[in-house]
Amino acid sequence: QQQVKQSPQSLIVQKGGIPIINCAYENTAFDYFPWYQQFPGKGPALLIAIRPDVSEKKEGRFTISFNKSAKQFSLHIMDSQPGDSATYFCAASSGNTGKLIFGQGTTLQVKP
Amino acid sequence: DADVTQTPRNRITKTGKRIMLECSQTKGHDRMYWYRQDPGLGLRLIYYSFDVKDINKGEISDGYSVSRQAQAKFSLSLESAIPNQTALYFCATSDSWASEAFFGQGTRLTVV
Repeated sequence: QQQVKQSPQSLIVQKGGIPIINCAYENTAFDYFPWYQQFPGKGPALLIAIRPDVSEKKEGRFTISFNKSAKQFSLHIMDSQPGDSATYFCAASSGNTGKLIFGQGTTLQVKP
Repeated sequence: DADVTQTPRNRITKTGKRIMLECSQTKGHDRMYWYRQDPGLGLRLIYYSFDVKDINKGEISDGYSVSRQAQAKFSLSLESAIPNQTALYFCATSDSWASEAFFGQGTRLTVV
């Protein structure tokens, strides 16, 4: 059972476009929702994270939108660049365990 | 030097062989994790450890075992490797009081 469902599986946008990646979760005990970025041959690295007491968080060109009632959250990349081409994973965890439940991943390609 | 180091980076082994993947970290974190990455499935938690004496099973622990030799070292063993254990394996660490996970660069394991 996939506790965190991520879509789309892959995404292609032109430079300057705004790719949006969506995630939905089942467990209402989740209280921490990070996004990780992974480049080929590298481990995932934290990009941005949100807790359920806010509906939006921005860090540079990256924004998380969070809808607690719908149990959904999404990543928006403003003014996307070819260097943003990577695989993106949403995740969720509960309590202070640090155990992350990951979505299936989205491979993003930003064309020049 | 990387904060989280995994060895080996690549390994090909035969069905039935025992293999150990090693992880060491210089972050000084108490918590360490082993994840497995498969295409279309994201990352799934195999085992995690909150300190040297505290080891816990994750989502997919069958066929795997771990050893926490010291705060900085956490190894993953496949006692009798099988082809469906072919995957990319990641070690990660996190601080007790924060949720960001720091990942190693991964070990690509192929079981033939």
